[in-house]
Amino acid sequence: KQEVTQIPAALSVPEGENLVLNCSFTDSAIYNLQWFRQDPGKGLTSLLLIQSSQREQTSGRLNASLDKSSGRSTLYIAASQPGDSATYLCAVKSYNTDKLIFGTGTRLQVFP
Amino acid sequence: NAGVMQNPRHLVRRRGQEARLRCSPMKGHSHVYWYRQLPEEGLKFMVYLQKENIIDESGMPKERFSAEFPKEGPSILRIQQVVRGDSAAYFCASSPVSNQPQHFGDGTRLSIL
Repeated sequence: KQEVTQIPAALSVPEGENLVLNCSFTDSAIYNLQWFRQDPGKGLTSLLLIQSSQREQTSGRLNASLDKSSGRSTLYIAASQPGDSATYLCAVKSYNTDKLIFGTGTRLQVFP
Repeated sequence: NAGVMQNPRHLVRRRGQEARLRCSPMKGHSHVYWYRQLPEEGLKFMVYLQKENIIDESGMPKERFSAEFPKEGPSILRIQQVVRGDSAAYFCASSPVSNQPQHFGDGTRLSIL
């Protein structure tokens, strides 16, 4: 059974810092892994999707890496800004299923 | 090009009442997924539907919960005889075909008095 864990659960940093959020999963036979952002009272916004054959994806100040063999993904946020404050969720999709398995998220606060 | 639309955004029910949550997928999307987010927990998969068919309901409680996605109209998640433990945010996602990224709505926050 696939389980997804995210650490840390919460993070508070001054703006300008570079951040690393971690996601680990127990079954390495994944189809893809996705990072989402969730603002309070809002839905999920997809940030990056990494296919199982890929090692990383980049979008602006965000970079996500995937190491399937060790069951890990990291989301790197460069030069953090107060507008980055949100909860970040990772989700994995395995083969032969269409459901996403989510981690419990990292709640990020970036203060001025 | 509207995204996934969920309504109502907030729903308050008393114990024992019925709750109906609606989800209109993105245009051209025929696959709908429902997830539940309990307070301080991650999103948990409930059910996956295509038009008029339930494909995977492995995450949905066996009693009181049902889902449908008719040929015409939105997908409906129905909770009968609600209890306090049903209080949660319910999210709907859609995709054009399976194995494509899922696009999420803003959710329905259900509160049970």
